Amino acid sequence: DAMVIQNPRYQVTQFGKPVTLSCSQTLNHNVMYWYQQKSSQAPKLLFHYYDKDFNNEADTPDNFQSRRPNTSFCFLDIRSPGLGDTAMYLCATSSGRTQYFGPGTRLLVL
Amino acid sequence: AQRVTQPEKLLSVFKGAPVELKCNYSYSGSPELFWYVQYSRQRLQLLLRHISRESIKGFTADLNKGETSFHLKKPFAQEEDSAMYYCALSGMGGSEKLVFGKGTKLTVNP
Repeated sequence: DAMVIQNPRYQVTQFGKPVTLSCSQTLNHNVMYWYQQKSSQAPKLLFHYYDKDFNNEADTPDNFQSRRPNTSFCFLDIRSPGLGDTAMYLCATSSGRTQYFGPGTRLLVL
Repeated sequence: AQRVTQPEKLLSVFKGAPVELKCNYSYSGSPELFWYVQYSRQRLQLLLRHISRESIKGFTADLNKGETSFHLKKPFAQEEDSAMYYCALSGMGGSEKLVFGKGTKLTVNP
């Protein structure tokens, strides 16, 4: 039973071409997170939502935006992807302190 | 500043040998510590948290506030323990955000 679902699993885009990554959850958790994980590095928090309240990390580039239209869905928009944005993007939810992760979307920017 | 350090990028042991994955943290307060695991081609998932004080899949971890450590231990490693292990920290007092270490890749050889 998939609880946190991410689509697509793999995405290839061109330099500068906007891309949207999707995350949905069946857990009804009020907190949702987006992480960026580059090769051999730790997952790095980009931003999170507490219900509809958006919380951006101080060092998240302006190029990264997010939308949460309802409890179940959260989107990551990269307005003008650069080569350095090639990474795995992880979505997670939490209720309390345990986080539940999706399988990730591997993004390749050419 | 919150920081999690996992000094070993790679760790290789033989089946049946004891294993210890090291984790040190810095945090000016009382954090909550976690170990997350990622098996090959699977999503990141919680292995254990220090508050629970439980043993999962034979693994235990004790929070040592004096040494600011949260090392993960198992007395007899199994081949199915081969995975990527991440230590993570969450600040107390309402914040559910996680700060991850860079991870240790454990390989258990037959």
